Amino acid sequence: KQEVTQIPAALSVPEGENLVLNCSFTDSAIYNLQWFRQDPGKGLTSLLLIQSSQREQTSGRLNASLDKSSGRSTLYIAASQPGDSATYLCAVRPIRDDKIIFGKGTRLHILP
Amino acid sequence: EAQVTQNPRYLITVTGKKLTVTCSQNMNHEYMSWYRQDPGLGLRQIYYSMNVEVTDKGDVPEGYKVSRKEKRNFPLILESPSPNQTSLYFCASSLASGTGHNEQFFGPGTRLTVL
Repeated sequence: KQEVTQIPAALSVPEGENLVLNCSFTDSAIYNLQWFRQDPGKGLTSLLLIQSSQREQTSGRLNASLDKSSGRSTLYIAASQPGDSATYLCAVRPIRDDKIIFGKGTRLHILP
Repeated sequence: EAQVTQNPRYLITVTGKKLTVTCSQNMNHEYMSWYRQDPGLGLRQIYYSMNVEVTDKGDVPEGYKVSRKEKRNFPLILESPSPNQTSLYFCASSLASGTGHNEQFFGPGTRLTVL
């Protein structure tokens, strides 16, 4: 059964620093991996989608990488800002069934 | 504007009173699903639908029903709500599974409280 893990559960970083969020999954047979941002009490905003054939995707200050063989993805945030404070979630779409599996997220706090 | 809408956004009800949360998308997506989000447990899939008249159980289907009579709508039905169904619910849609291009789009959420 596919499992998705995000470590750490929470992270505090001073403003301006570059940072990396981690997502690991147990079954490499996936169609894609998607990163989301969620503000407290709000819905999910899609940040980046990496298809299984891709190694990375970039959007502005965000860069997501995917290493299927090792079951890992990272979300790199450059020059962090207080507005980046949120919970970041990753989700995988397995090939073996049609369920979508989420990690529990990393709660990020950027210190002004 | 491409979007997923849910109604109501907030609902307080009592144990045993049947309720329906509606979900609609305007992107002609085949795949739709419902999630619940609880502190410490993250997002868990309740039901999903690959297309009209095709629905399947997710990881936590007990106490819920769904239907998919039209492509754009995917209502979530709680026949006899209980307090343990108090949660934040999200509907999502995407193109069909089976490709890597199926980015999920989420609705704004429905906060349900069952007393």
